[in-house]
Amino acid sequence: EAAVTQSPRNKVAVTGGKVTLSCNQTNNHNNMYWYRQDTGHGLRLIHYSYGAGSTEKGDIPDGYKASRPSQENFSLILELATPSQTSVYFCASGVQGHFYEQYFGPGTRLTVL
Amino acid sequence: SQLAEENSWALSVHEGESVTVNCSYKTSITALQWYRQKSGKGPAQLILIRSNEREKRNGRLRATLDTSSQSSSLSITATRCEDTAVYFCAANVGDNSKLIWGLGTSLVVNP
Repeated sequence: EAAVTQSPRNKVAVTGGKVTLSCNQTNNHNNMYWYRQDTGHGLRLIHYSYGAGSTEKGDIPDGYKASRPSQENFSLILELATPSQTSVYFCASGVQGHFYEQYFGPGTRLTVL
Repeated sequence: SQLAEENSWALSVHEGESVTVNCSYKTSITALQWYRQKSGKGPAQLILIRSNEREKRNGRLRATLDTSSQSSSLSITATRCEDTAVYFCAANVGDNSKLIWGLGTSLVVNP
């Protein structure tokens, strides 16, 4: 049973539109992360969270917002989507006691036209 | 910023051969993690090696850590086609909850 799930798995959006990517984890981990993955760039951290109500900026937060309404859920919001945000987005959860080993979801492929 | 990096973009081997992926990093770390990402999936951890450890094994996988040269390696013996994936190293710095990721090495295991 998958412990980190993401929805939608695929999304096509228009430039200037709002996009919300959702992540749910059943690991009961405090920490959650949003990454984007592009060829040649590996995994880049967008936002992360230490728990419900907290969001922190990662390495590339511009153009993205995050929301952590509960321990289980972490959303990534693109208020005004641009073609440069076309990418594969991964959510992960992690816990301090294991050197923040991260458990990843299956990814969401986002295309902004 | 990428403080960790694998030393090869891509490797190709035949089934049954051994292969090593190398990683170097540029700051003091508390642990080094190796992840594997198969096509269409998210990364999954293979091995975690702490800064006071020199070697860690997990089945056909062996990770080493050399803190003096700030480098790590992941060796896979008796490779199988299902080992085809991208391999990442990721470094823990202090108690920071953010991992520092390498760009990944693509490994193809041919029949």
